Amino acid sequence: ETGVTQSPTHLIKTRGQQVTLRCSSQSGHNTVSWYQQALGQGPQFIFQYYREEENGRGNFPPRFSGLQFPNYSSELNVNALELDDSALYLCASSRNTGELFFGEGSRLTVL
Amino acid sequence: QQQVKQSPQSLIVQKGGISIINCAYENTAFDYFPWYQQFPGKGPALLIAIRPDVSEKKEGRFTISFNKSAKQFSLHIMDSQPGDSATYFCAASGGVNAGNNRKLIWGLGTSLAVNP
Repeated sequence: ETGVTQSPTHLIKTRGQQVTLRCSSQSGHNTVSWYQQALGQGPQFIFQYYREEENGRGNFPPRFSGLQFPNYSSELNVNALELDDSALYLCASSRNTGELFFGEGSRLTVL
Repeated sequence: QQQVKQSPQSLIVQKGGISIINCAYENTAFDYFPWYQQFPGKGPALLIAIRPDVSEKKEGRFTISFNKSAKQFSLHIMDSQPGDSATYFCAASGGVNAGNNRKLIWGLGTSLAVNP
């Protein structure tokens, strides 16, 4: 069984740029959730996708957007990057039980 | 405002000792309380979870104690081992949305170091 995989693992961007992060969900999982984890903090819920539809959103501005594809993989897009967007972005997949299975994250640094 | 308050921020325990991490919440609509373990460079992994209809749940060396009236829950790690050294997060969730999915509210984490 393949776990949750995220890419890229690390990336550096400058303020104002745009970034796309990718996530492949665990086999059989139809839901993907994205979390932002700043250094030394707990994860913060960004949004969730269930069967290609947004299924809940946290307190993040519209420049954070996402997609889920028919194979249940997902993308997180962030436009107009700000310094405070520097964080570990975690993707988690799940199916019906509420238990989240996390990938290892994408570490974004904004300079 | 932090909806889930976790303490202590860091904890040092001797091998074989008991590690205790506490969390408190305000929202009485929360009905699912998981604990996650995170090693450096890795994503969080579910350790154990409890629902408010029970006061205690045990899985191996890990126990959750839940006090509904006090709106508090805690993680106890018995016979702590150096391999348990990690960051532990409590979380809470209220209700489910489409597909029986949940949105988790997380504590700030506790960095546990178990000395050999």
